[in-house]
Amino acid sequence: SYELAQPLSVSVALGQTASITCGGDNIGRKNVHWYQQKPGQAPVLVIYRDDNRPSGIPERFSGSNSRNTATLTVSRAQAGDEADYYCQVWDSSTAFFGGGTKLTVL
Amino acid sequence: QVQLQQWGAGLLKPSETLSLTCTVYGGSFGAYSWSWVRQPPGKGLEWIGEINHSGSTEYNPSLRSRVTISVDTSSNDFSLNLSSVTAADTAVYYCARASSGWHASYYYYYIDVWGKGTTVTVSS
Repeated sequence: SYELAQPLSVSVALGQTASITCGGDNIGRKNVHWYQQKPGQAPVLVIYRDDNRPSGIPERFSGSNSRNTATLTVSRAQAGDEADYYCQVWDSSTAFFGGGTKLTVL
Repeated sequence: QVQLQQWGAGLLKPSETLSLTCTVYGGSFGAYSWSWVRQPPGKGLEWIGEINHSGSTEYNPSLRSRVTISVDTSSNDFSLNLSSVTAADTAVYYCARASSGWHASYYYYYIDVWGKGTTVTVSS
């Protein structure tokens, strides 16, 4: 089983930058993907393969991955970015999700 | 634009079998793998498993003994069966489309299209 560690919560002031981390053993050697989930809705892919944005995702969302930590960065945070965020990797023929981080925009 | 429409029984008794089906509208059915993910109330996402167009499957080891995912390419459907359910299987179940392959020597798998979710409650 591959463990992914995310902080339970992250707060950011409106218009500022938030960073959400995802820790895992040598995660830098894996492709990391990020999902945004708002209450009562299905998740939405916001970053795939470490640092790629699907069409329709604002440039304010970016990702990086190195060594034992992957990071999702939300720049110029907006009220609409408030949501749960999950990282995900593939290991040993299984998809693993992190426990999720609640992003609060103050 | 690909859409996933899912349906199935929402209320089960312990020991019964959960059965859900998802129909794929639009897009290429054969170019992707088709997955199920669940989310218990107030908790995070848990991957259940996947099937590709040729019928090859991968399952979460924690559920493997109880899970079957099947596909019907003639109708662009894929289905989930989870046997011997208990209250711990109460969750929102999502069907999903996944993209996978090799990039920079590492295998990737990510979900790019999700169904709306079906709430399944297990209660006596």
